[in-house]
Amino acid sequence: GQQVMQIPQYQHVQEGEDFTTYCNSSTTLSNIQWYKQRPGGHPVFLIQLVKSGEVKKQKRLTFQFGEAKKNSSLHITATQTTDVGTYFCAGPAAGNKLTFGGGTRVLVKP
Amino acid sequence: DTAVSQTPKYLVTQMGNDKSIKCEQNLGHDTMYWYKQDSKKFLKIMFSYNNKELIINETVPNRFSPKSPDKAHLNLHINSLELGDSAVYFCASSQLPGLSPGNTIYFGEGSWLTVV
Repeated sequence: GQQVMQIPQYQHVQEGEDFTTYCNSSTTLSNIQWYKQRPGGHPVFLIQLVKSGEVKKQKRLTFQFGEAKKNSSLHITATQTTDVGTYFCAGPAAGNKLTFGGGTRVLVKP
Repeated sequence: DTAVSQTPKYLVTQMGNDKSIKCEQNLGHDTMYWYKQDSKKFLKIMFSYNNKELIINETVPNRFSPKSPDKAHLNLHINSLELGDSAVYFCASSQLPGLSPGNTIYFGEGSWLTVV
């Protein structure tokens, strides 16, 4: 079945540095969503990408959808302690299900 | 004005017990879900209802039984609890089923279930 894989599983970042997390699908996706879960919290919708090659920005966060619509990335610049949490990508799977990637757990070193 | 609310937030219970988690959404959405998040943070869908009809029923033990009395409520009953059932259970809702453009999922705050 369709799988959504995320790498890395863990990301330790020095405050102020940039990093990127990647999401890869085994099949072409009609769209992809990103969610953020703070420690002890619940997943919260960040953004949705629909078009091939689409790039969207939210302040220091840049989201990209691959040309083939099988991968996506989230790039965070000048990481802050408020960026701590787990970032999930999610894509549609067979049976009209939303399949979540395993998440990238981000830890920020002050 | 919590959009998706679930109770209880924390639940500690003994093996073999039966417990329920309740969920309500005030967003007017047609679709509701139960997700399970294990200790490794993997989010897995368990059930989905659309307008009170079961549309997704993943491979979960039949000790888990969802019930949707109306489209604003989706409860989860678990019989004969086992140690492996310990997890965070998230209720969620969306306007439509599936992941179509513009259809986002709103999660409740989670119910932390610990089976001892």
